[in-house]
Amino acid sequence: DVKVTQSSRYLVKRTGEKVFLECVQDMDHENMFWYRQDPGLGLRLIYFSYDVKMKEKGDIPEGYSVSREKKERFSLILESASTNQTSMYLCASSLPEGEQYFGPGTRLTVT
Amino acid sequence: GEDVEQSLFLSVREGDSSVINCTYTDSSSTYLYWYKQEPGAGLQLLTYIFSNMDMKQDQRLTVLLNKKDKHLSLRIADTQTGDSAIYFCAEIPGGSSNTGKLIFGQGTTLQVKP
Repeated sequence: DVKVTQSSRYLVKRTGEKVFLECVQDMDHENMFWYRQDPGLGLRLIYFSYDVKMKEKGDIPEGYSVSREKKERFSLILESASTNQTSMYLCASSLPEGEQYFGPGTRLTVT
Repeated sequence: GEDVEQSLFLSVREGDSSVINCTYTDSSSTYLYWYKQEPGAGLQLLTYIFSNMDMKQDQRLTVLLNKKDKHLSLRIADTQTGDSAIYFCAEIPGGSSNTGKLIFGQGTTLQVKP
């Protein structure tokens, strides 16, 4: 059974804190993605990676960075969390031309 | 740029058919997908259609693709309360097939009343 796991389901952080969101997949997929989901806006792509140590900006990369040191792990980093980064964060992985498999999501609240 | 549009809300009665609609702008899209998101969960793939197909049926689900109008629909027959969820339409734009990057619609919340 395919599996994408995210390190936390719920997270509460203070403004200005550095936040790490971890995602791990066990399917040997090349591609990994980070999205944020907000009501009425659907899913917006923050960053994606198509290989180890490779990354590309998505549609809303400002305020975020990513790290992919190993094929199975893709981390999203908020260098200095702000209240407008309160959202649901979804990680996904895929083969180059396959469907995306999603993790359960991390609901982040920044106070 | 590429864009995918969906209506935000649909309400039906249990046992009726539901039709969720989606329009997209990229005429060179290769695959189009329907994902389902249940409350508090991530997205799961429901079905997909390749761009050279007009229709795909899978049990209670029927996907129709009108390439000329760039219109995709998902029909759920005999809708059940367990079908209540958010449904996302997504496309792989023509230039993105090797990265698997998807463009998602805003999601349609389907409410099924008993």
